[in-house]
Amino acid sequence: DTGVSQNPRHKITKRGQNVTFRCDPISEHNRLYWYRQTLGQGPEFLTYFQNEAQLEKSRLLSDRFSAERPKGSFSTLEIQRTEQGDSAMYLCASSLSGGRAAGETQYFGPGTRLLVL
Amino acid sequence: KQEVTQIPAALSVPEGENLVLNCSFTDSAIYNLQWFRQDPGKGLTSLLLIQSSQREQTSGRLNASLDKSSGRSTLYIAASQPGDSATYLCAVRLYGATNKLIFGTGTLLAVQP
Repeated sequence: DTGVSQNPRHKITKRGQNVTFRCDPISEHNRLYWYRQTLGQGPEFLTYFQNEAQLEKSRLLSDRFSAERPKGSFSTLEIQRTEQGDSAMYLCASSLSGGRAAGETQYFGPGTRLLVL
Repeated sequence: KQEVTQIPAALSVPEGENLVLNCSFTDSAIYNLQWFRQDPGKGLTSLLLIQSSQREQTSGRLNASLDKSSGRSTLYIAASQPGDSATYLCAVRLYGATNKLIFGTGTLLAVQP
């Protein structure tokens, strides 16, 4: 499977605990995105990397959230001191910059569903 | 601030019917627009991408149109099938340094056999 993969697929945690999610993009893609989706809503942008550089962060990304892409390949999203309001589906996407129009398409992974009790 | 709206929020049609899903956006300075499909509890599958310079894109039974001046896009599904049942999301990417997508809330489609 050469698509975007995310792990774990599901995570249940208690309020106050830290959680970390991993995203493996399509191998040649240099851009990586994190989005958050709550029930009945469309995904909301959290942050974006080009290679290893984090180029944009949403105001939704409070100081409890941190994302990394250390070698420009996989990325991790960590949430510290989780709150019940963090319960959501966390989606990762990747794309290839430049080139043909098709390269602008963002390809999404299956998501990690987080439940904070 | 760019806002994306999708109407209707839910739609139920009998199998075989042609249907149109609507997407509207408030800022016409978009770089491109994508239509996605999302099955329950799953990630998003890209269906079509329309660049700002294009008027429409087609893939199989799907046809997406874009009218920037009116801030609208439509997704036309021909000869609907039960397997088309899913939530359909449109998303716009703006010009400028940002590459983020701004999503609508989606249209939940049910195709009845």
